[in-house]
Amino acid sequence: DIQMTQSPSSLSASVGDRVTITCRASQSISSYLHWYQQKPGKAPTLLIYVASSLQSGVPSRFSGSGSGTDFTLTISSLQPEDFATYYCQQSYSTPPTFGQGTKVEIK
Amino acid sequence: QITLKESGPTLVKPTQTLTLTCTFSGFSLTTNGVGVGWIRQPPGKALEWLALIYWDDDKRYSPSLKSRLTITKDTSKNQVVLTMANMDPVDTATYYCAHPGGFAYYDYWGQGTLVTVSS
Repeated sequence: DIQMTQSPSSLSASVGDRVTITCRASQSISSYLHWYQQKPGKAPTLLIYVASSLQSGVPSRFSGSGSGTDFTLTISSLQPEDFATYYCQQSYSTPPTFGQGTKVEIK
Repeated sequence: QITLKESGPTLVKPTQTLTLTCTFSGFSLTTNGVGVGWIRQPPGKALEWLALIYWDDDKRYSPSLKSRLTITKDTSKNQVVLTMANMDPVDTATYYCAHPGGFAYYDYWGQGTLVTVSS
């Protein structure tokens, strides 16, 4: 299985901050990397697919970049509704695997 | 509008078999390329992919759980059923069904159903 490692595991930030979350794959996954947001008690929602494509309805402050093994999710200006846990997922090979999550908390 | 909803028991005993049903609308599992997957999440932990079934009955399973999982579809009812044998307390989790998009990301998710394994 391809291992997905996110960093940091958690972070504290203020409204308006620029936030960057990193996801690293244990082998090259081309651009088959997707990002999700999950709020407590809710299902994950898709933010970014194939590394940098913004899912319909997702605010433009969210962006993704990277290819190969290293990927980044950036929130350009953190909003109150963005406090949540974020997961990356690879779909380069079966089984699809997820990172361990990054919890974004209020500073 | 695509929706999915999971149903099944909230409590199962160790060694029992879990049966979960995903009832969906807004797409058809007879359409070329369409699938439905299952993902679970133990309390406070990360997401774990379990299984996927495609419109042509192609099935994929998590290698670590393959011996315990069976996924089937009923296209007439718009349902996908996941069974997991020999349940253990470590299988306590919220189980989600979800619709995979073109590159096997999951763009629509059910609300999830919490299954507790306890005697």
